[in-house]
Amino acid sequence: SQTIHQWPATLVQPVGSPLSLECTVEGTSNPNLYWYRQAAGRGLQLLFYSVGIGQISSEVPQNLSASRPQDRQFILSSKKLLLSDSGFYLCAWSPLGRRTDTQYFGPGTRLTVL
Amino acid sequence: QQQVKQSPQSLIVQKGGISIINCAYENTAFDYFPWYQQFPGKGPALLIAIRPDVSEKKEGRFTISFNKSAKQFSLHIMDSQPGDSATYFCAASNNAGNMLTFGGGTRLMVKP
Repeated sequence: SQTIHQWPATLVQPVGSPLSLECTVEGTSNPNLYWYRQAAGRGLQLLFYSVGIGQISSEVPQNLSASRPQDRQFILSSKKLLLSDSGFYLCAWSPLGRRTDTQYFGPGTRLTVL
Repeated sequence: QQQVKQSPQSLIVQKGGISIINCAYENTAFDYFPWYQQFPGKGPALLIAIRPDVSEKKEGRFTISFNKSAKQFSLHIMDSQPGDSATYFCAASNNAGNMLTFGGGTRLMVKP
């Protein structure tokens, strides 16, 4: 079966510090990968998605970036965090190669920027 | 065209009652409509989904009703339980398949 991992689970960072969040998927190959952000009490905002290694599409201009160094690894980064970057970051995957409607979410990373 | 509008934003239901959450869309190319359930501090999990070739889909206490002509779909939770208290998101995708458009979410509280 497929599983998706995210770490760290929680993170408290000062404004201006760098960020690296990691997501890995097991049990599948060539998945589509997604990063979402969820502000407190709000909906899901798609940040990035990837259909393959090194292929990243950005949905929202911001100080965040994403990379996919390996097939089942997706990394969200920032060089300098802003207060507005606080939120719940969710990684998701969907199968590649056929209609990929269903997305499966990871457990999330709670980021607090102080 | 890509929006999915969800209502209400929050809902309080007594235990044993029926919870109803509604979503409306504009893009007629949408042809897959899933619902996700999210507990506090957790990632959303797929609850139930429907395609427009049927008007209703039921899984246990959860039912999706779909009205293609009105471009609306809804989630009904029968015999609501305190354990159903969560945030529910509707979503939609088209035959391009890679992307889901999410509604804004509904926070459901079921009172014992």
